[in-house]
Amino acid sequence: GAVVSQHPSWVICKSGTSVKIECRSLDFQATTMFWYRQFPKQSLMLMATSNEGSKATYEQGVEKDKFLINHASLTLSTLTVTSAHPEDSSFYICSADSPVGTDTQYFGPGTRLTVL
Amino acid sequence: AQRVTQPEKLLSVFKGAPVELKCNYSYSGSPELFWYVQYSRQRLQLLLRHISRESIKGFTADLNKGETSFHLKKPFAQEEDSAMYYCALSGGYQKVTFGTGTKLQVIP
Repeated sequence: GAVVSQHPSWVICKSGTSVKIECRSLDFQATTMFWYRQFPKQSLMLMATSNEGSKATYEQGVEKDKFLINHASLTLSTLTVTSAHPEDSSFYICSADSPVGTDTQYFGPGTRLTVL
Repeated sequence: AQRVTQPEKLLSVFKGAPVELKCNYSYSGSPELFWYVQYSRQRLQLLLRHISRESIKGFTADLNKGETSFHLKKPFAQEEDSAMYYCALSGGYQKVTFGTGTKLQVIP
């Protein structure tokens, strides 16, 4: 089946630095990828929809200058958390739309970000 | 390690028939379990979570720790229930693991 990977799986950084998280579709091309954030004791929150070759669509309340999304190829989308702060510490997960003809979304294993 | 298994890729039922979407999990601690739904390539939506113990759109799910299951049930399927359903587990440090999804097809 289709596989989505994320790198890194866990990152610790200092406050004020930037962190890049990669989301890759390993054996299929994904024109659309999604970035989510998991808050403690809450459900997953959609941050943005990333379309290959165009600008990402951000959800209301998500700062586009802080969470930079780039979808430069059909198999790679990146989320860069700029000038990270401790409140950005969270679990970030991406998903990719399935190949044409199926309705499934494939989820990555997630990245845990800890900002000190 | 945490794992979520949804054994059925596709479940077809007739309108008015009962629905049960299976979800089994593996986790050593106390998990938090969710069901998410995605209608016809719209965005993913939270359907319900086990700690709230509520019924949404007629769906319920009970956490069975003995069987490590969190099956989603509805007594009478409706056509508008046709969608992709994902079971998810939130473990330590908010790590979320999704199942592979089950497509529910309600036949008129």
